[in-house]
Amino acid sequence: DAGITQSPRHKVTETGTPVTLRCHQTENHRYMYWYRQDPGHGLRLIHYSYGVKDTDKGEVSDGYSVSRSKTEDFLLTLESATSSQTSVYFCAISGGLAGGRGVNEQFFGPGTRLTVL
Amino acid sequence: AQKITQTQPGMFVQEKEAVTLDCTYDTSDQSYGLFWYKQPSSGEMIFLIYQGSYDEQNATEGRYSLNFQKARKSANLVISASQLGDSAMYFCAMRDLNFGNEKLTFGTGTRLTIIP
Repeated sequence: DAGITQSPRHKVTETGTPVTLRCHQTENHRYMYWYRQDPGHGLRLIHYSYGVKDTDKGEVSDGYSVSRSKTEDFLLTLESATSSQTSVYFCAISGGLAGGRGVNEQFFGPGTRLTVL
Repeated sequence: AQKITQTQPGMFVQEKEAVTLDCTYDTSDQSYGLFWYKQPSSGEMIFLIYQGSYDEQNATEGRYSLNFQKARKSANLVISASQLGDSAMYFCAMRDLNFGNEKLTFGTGTRLTIIP
């Protein structure tokens, strides 16, 4: 196992409330990612981080924000949850090799199932 | 922009038979990596196999092999001697191998069911 935990694992919330999901790694990997998984769409990148306080948007970033104040933690916040954000959220990490070439698979956390009523 | 296409939403295969899961990709990058992940019903994402665009030989990992045809832009996963435990969703993914671009683009997946 790559030492990735996500919390909470399940959450039910109401439309309009803020929600924060946490990803914690013990591997000291440089890169961290948040994906959402929906039927018919596979996994889509929400935001990612390439270092402490360094983040960037993915393809489905609207309505989400992230923060990374420590190497080991990457937080995903839904500023005002909507029903369209009901999904399974995965965190992933990767090491990043100097020079950028070579095998560098992403390791995934167990996922968080979020339901917005 | 990168795109992954998996045209088989579902497949049923008899146990012990070999199975090929299709994956085609589109990219303008010269240096890229192709990945396959397995997602069993328990939900976790399990890395299976990797192929680099400059690798001359097809990647193999145990019963998994990746049939890489660069000119056709295809990266099919072959599972030999299928087992009941192979029943799962399978995702093909790719990323640019240039430094600083670690993002994965995923296909929509293929649900494989192994029949006893």
